[in-house]
Amino acid sequence: QQPVQSPQAVILREGEDAVINCSSSKALYSVHWYRQKHGEAPVFLMILLKGGEQKGHDKISASFNEKKQQSSLYLTASQLSYSGTYFCGTESSGGYNKLIFGAGTRLAVHP
Amino acid sequence: DAGVIQSPRHEVTEMGQEVTLRCKPISGHDYLFWYRQTMMRGLELLIYFNNNVPIDDSGMPEDRFSAKMPNASFSTLKIQPSEPRDSAVYFCASDRTNTGELFFGEGSRLTVL
Repeated sequence: QQPVQSPQAVILREGEDAVINCSSSKALYSVHWYRQKHGEAPVFLMILLKGGEQKGHDKISASFNEKKQQSSLYLTASQLSYSGTYFCGTESSGGYNKLIFGAGTRLAVHP
Repeated sequence: DAGVIQSPRHEVTEMGQEVTLRCKPISGHDYLFWYRQTMMRGLELLIYFNNNVPIDDSGMPEDRFSAKMPNASFSTLKIQPSEPRDSAVYFCASDRTNTGELFFGEGSRLTVL
């Protein structure tokens, strides 16, 4: 039931790009992305509702393919501040329901 | 506006003791969630409330765990008796209907010796 995230970890140099994937075995109503810095609480990045939409947040964007039950998070021209663990959370029924998080993808951006 | 407030921030206790974690959600938010985070299992949803009513507690690991929300501004998560495997960071989060954006508290780090 937990969505699967890949890769587990990514190491980047400043300015490089990365893609984080999230897939589910269940039909999805929405996908949520959060970032957690070490020792802090997760912070909301964006939500994608079924309909195949794509959203952006500064240089971070995401897509949602409901047919494939997948979402991808795109980080372009990475900055040091992007370092942290990225979680996707999935909601698998219509209306408001519980959010189940993936295991997370650790991203480290170095100068 | 104040965010989600959790207490205590850190708790160290001995096996068998009762532990009570507290949460004050953001005013106006009608959903409240309790999550547990460990290295092994990541972020696990334990229970969530809507308008103070428990909606889904299927994630509560055992009968040793209980949660209450007596009013819109307060919730507790109780572990009795505590065990070393309960050691984790417990997060409370709140949300307003249909926004889908969870606001997390800073967490309560529990260590059971």
